[in-house]
Amino acid sequence: EDQVTQSPEALRLQEGESSSLNCSYTVSGLRGLFWYRQDPGKGPEFLFTLYSAGEEKEKERLKATLTKKESFLHITAPKPEDSATYLCAGPDTGRRALTFGSGTRLQVQP
Amino acid sequence: EPEVTQTPSHQVTQMGQEVILRCVPISNHLYFYWYRQILGQKVEFLVSFYNNEISEKSEIFDDQFSVERPDGSNFTLKIRSTKLEDSAMYFCASRPGDQSQYFGPGTRLLVL
Repeated sequence: EDQVTQSPEALRLQEGESSSLNCSYTVSGLRGLFWYRQDPGKGPEFLFTLYSAGEEKEKERLKATLTKKESFLHITAPKPEDSATYLCAGPDTGRRALTFGSGTRLQVQP
Repeated sequence: EPEVTQTPSHQVTQMGQEVILRCVPISNHLYFYWYRQILGQKVEFLVSFYNNEISEKSEIFDDQFSVERPDGSNFTLKIRSTKLEDSAMYFCASRPGDQSQYFGPGTRLLVL
C-alpha cells in the first residue's frame, strides 16, 4: 500500500530558528512529490513539486529537497506568518490522485 | 492569479437530505478532483474527472456520491442521502496537464 509519512507531527520554533520537516514515502514508481501549506479551515495551498532525486526548489524561506526515499522541507529563519500545517503528498501507484500525509503543524513564535 | 472557487463555504443539512457542492476549477485545466478532510484527519481522495467522465474513484466514493460537469465551468459533487459521517471539509482541485493540483478553499459540510 502506498504511504506517505510525515514527521514530526508538530513543531514549535522561535522566530529565526531554522529547521526541517520530513516526508518519507513508499510509492513505487514515484511520479512527483508535492508539498502544500494548509491554514486552519482553508484548502491546501500548492508550494512545490519535485520529480527526481537531487532536485531542489525554493520559495522565500522554504526549500524542498528530494532523495530516493524521502523529502525535506527546510525552513530558514521562519517568521510567525509561516505558522501552518505543511502537507506532503504523492500520487498513488497506478493513478494520479494524491495520497496525503498527516502533516506537520508548525508554530513559529515571535 | 487564477484560483479554484467553491460554494457554499458552509452547508448544514439534516441526515438523509441531498446536498450539492459546487466548484469552478481554473479555466484551461483539464483534470478535476474532489477530496475530503474529516476534522483532524488526512486529506482523502474521492474522485477524479477527465474528459467528461470519472477517471478514478476511491472506496469512499460509493453510490451515494456523484459528480457532474453540467457546463463548461462548473464541477459539482452530489451526495444523495447524507449520513452523519459525511460531515467534513470537501475540497475541489484542478490541474493542467502536469501533476500539480490546485485546491479550492473548501466547503464545510455538517450533517445533523
